[in-house]
Amino acid sequence: AQSVTQLGSHVSVSEGALVLLRCNYSSSVPPYLFWYVQYPNQGLQLLLKYTTGATLVKGINGFEAEFKKSETSFHLTKPSAHMSDAAEYFCAVLNSGAGSYQLTFGKGTKLSVIP
Amino acid sequence: GAGVSQSPSNKVTEKGKDVELRCDPISGHTALYWYRQSLGQGLEFLIYFQGNSAPDKSGLPSDRFSAERTGGSVSTLTIQRTQQEDSAVYLCASSQTGSGANVLTFGAGSRLTVL
Repeated sequence: AQSVTQLGSHVSVSEGALVLLRCNYSSSVPPYLFWYVQYPNQGLQLLLKYTTGATLVKGINGFEAEFKKSETSFHLTKPSAHMSDAAEYFCAVLNSGAGSYQLTFGKGTKLSVIP
Repeated sequence: GAGVSQSPSNKVTEKGKDVELRCDPISGHTALYWYRQSLGQGLEFLIYFQGNSAPDKSGLPSDRFSAERTGGSVSTLTIQRTQQEDSAVYLCASSQTGSGANVLTFGAGSRLTVL
């Protein structure tokens, strides 16, 4: 079974500061990895995904993540936080069991941006 | 439709009552997923439909939960004899196929409160 661990249920950063949200996964096969963002009272929106190829993946709103196989990590970063980045972020790994394609999500990290 | 539509957006019910939650996926999307989002628990996979194949029900927490998908489109999640621990946001998502490389598009969710 695959699993995802997100370190820190809450992260606060100052506006303009670096955003770093941590995600570690466990997988017995090469994983597909995803970051989703959820704004209040909305569904999840894809930020970026890693499937194969380049390990540094760029997403929407200036976010990027790097797949590091040796560290089993897929941390999400943004050089400069904006107030509009305040939301909850979920890391997910694909569980490609027999005939199924269910995503396994971490418990989420709520990002607060301090003006 | 342009997105995944879920109804009702909010449902308050009394313990022991049955509830039905509806999901209208994006037109043409063959894969449909239900997830449950509980406070502090992240997203929990419930069930997955792919075309005419038998659904993957491995995530349903008890036999009080069931789901169907009629005509390969609209899906209904039914919870019988609701309990307070069923209170959560129920999220539906759809994708073009079951391939892990494809992106899940989520609805805004149905918030269920069991009194």
